[in-house]
Amino acid sequence: ETGVTQSPTHLIKTRGQQVTLRCSSQSGHNTVSWYQQALGQGPQFIFQYYREEENGRGNFPPRFSGLQFPNYSSELNVNALELDDSALYLCASSRDRERSGELFFGEGSRLTVL
Amino acid sequence: AQSVAQPEDQVNVAEGNPLTVKCTYSVSGNPYLFWYVQYPNRGLQFLLKYITGDNLVKGSYGFEAEFNKSQTSFHLKKPSALVSDSALYFCAVRGYILTGGGNKLTFGTGTQLKVEL
Repeated sequence: ETGVTQSPTHLIKTRGQQVTLRCSSQSGHNTVSWYQQALGQGPQFIFQYYREEENGRGNFPPRFSGLQFPNYSSELNVNALELDDSALYLCASSRDRERSGELFFGEGSRLTVL
Repeated sequence: AQSVAQPEDQVNVAEGNPLTVKCTYSVSGNPYLFWYVQYPNRGLQFLLKYITGDNLVKGSYGFEAEFNKSQTSFHLKKPSALVSDSALYFCAVRGYILTGGGNKLTFGTGTQLKVEL
């Protein structure tokens, strides 16, 4: 158990819809990163939030957006869903923008887009 | 840009035998390397990391990894495999987020380890 919780665990959406995924970080962690893990692939970095501000993003379009709240929990929002957005979305928390590289992952939200 | 490669999609080992899961890396500068494990329908769990120092790194659950700079490799090893070690293993390298000043991990494609009785 890492202390990072994600919700919902599973969800099904149709193309064009919007989705919000939520993450509660481990106590004492001020940095949240989101990763997308497509079937048979390694996790791909989406973006990172540090002290409520986006701290950088990977190669994902603007329809992927996020928020971090004062308690350091975070949301990932995806607009205009596409079939290729079907994946496991992983949230990872850490202290101080992951200097150590040791991330604490939640169990993920599995999104299916039909 | 930094990257890691895991050349084997699957590794099969008999319980009690030693196991090796391979990883090679490509970075500019000194590498910060990691191994994570993923059990079915679960998130990733940190196993071990190499930052600097001793080339043999010890981690959780009896795993260790050997850093080899000349071969740009960071192979995961365990002297005696258990059936419960069966899982998906990811090698990763730390890189900078240019726009934000933080760090991110770049993962390999994963190696499925199957330990059989």
